[in-house]
Amino acid sequence: DVKVTQSSRYLVKRTGEKVFLECVQDMDHENMFWYRQDPGLGLRLIYFSYDVKMKEKGDIPEGYSVSREKKERFSLILESASTNQTSMYLCATRTGGLYEQYFGPGTRLTVT
Amino acid sequence: GQSLEQPSEVTAVEGAIVQINCTYQTSGFYGLSWYQQHDGGAPTFLSYNALDGLEETGRFSSFLSRSDSYGYLLLQELQMKDSASYFCAVRRGGYQKVTFGTGTKLQVIP
Repeated sequence: DVKVTQSSRYLVKRTGEKVFLECVQDMDHENMFWYRQDPGLGLRLIYFSYDVKMKEKGDIPEGYSVSREKKERFSLILESASTNQTSMYLCATRTGGLYEQYFGPGTRLTVT
Repeated sequence: GQSLEQPSEVTAVEGAIVQINCTYQTSGFYGLSWYQQHDGGAPTFLSYNALDGLEETGRFSSFLSRSDSYGYLLLQELQMKDSASYFCAVRRGGYQKVTFGTGTKLQVIP
């Protein structure tokens, strides 16, 4: 079974702080994704990575950056957290050529 | 741009059949997926349609009509555990990108 883990289940940060959310997968998948989920808006793609050190912007990349130094690890960085980044953040992985995405349990981030 | 429309809420009776519709507007369409998410849980993959027609997996079936930019998820013999949110998602040009709908909250009642 694919296992996708996220560093924290719940996180509370202050406005202006730098925030790191980490995602680790154990299935050697090439592709990794970061989404945020908000009520009424569904899941929105922030960034994705198709290989180590490779990344592409999703639909809402503003205010975020990512890092993928190792294949199994994909980090989402909020350079200066703001209250409108309070959300559920979901990491997902997918192996190349297939369509099924495997999601982690999510991190509920609150920025105060 | 890309957009997907699905009903926000559906209520159905245990043992019955329910259909959740999804219409989409996107460029470079590759396929339509469905995911289930229970409250507090992560989305889990249900099905994928790349070609027109019906795909069946147990109690769940998914249909796609590319010419109508329309698909649906059919749940048969509803069980209480099927109460969850269901998301359609289009895989679009660029291969890697997936856009999700806003989700349909299904409530199964006795």
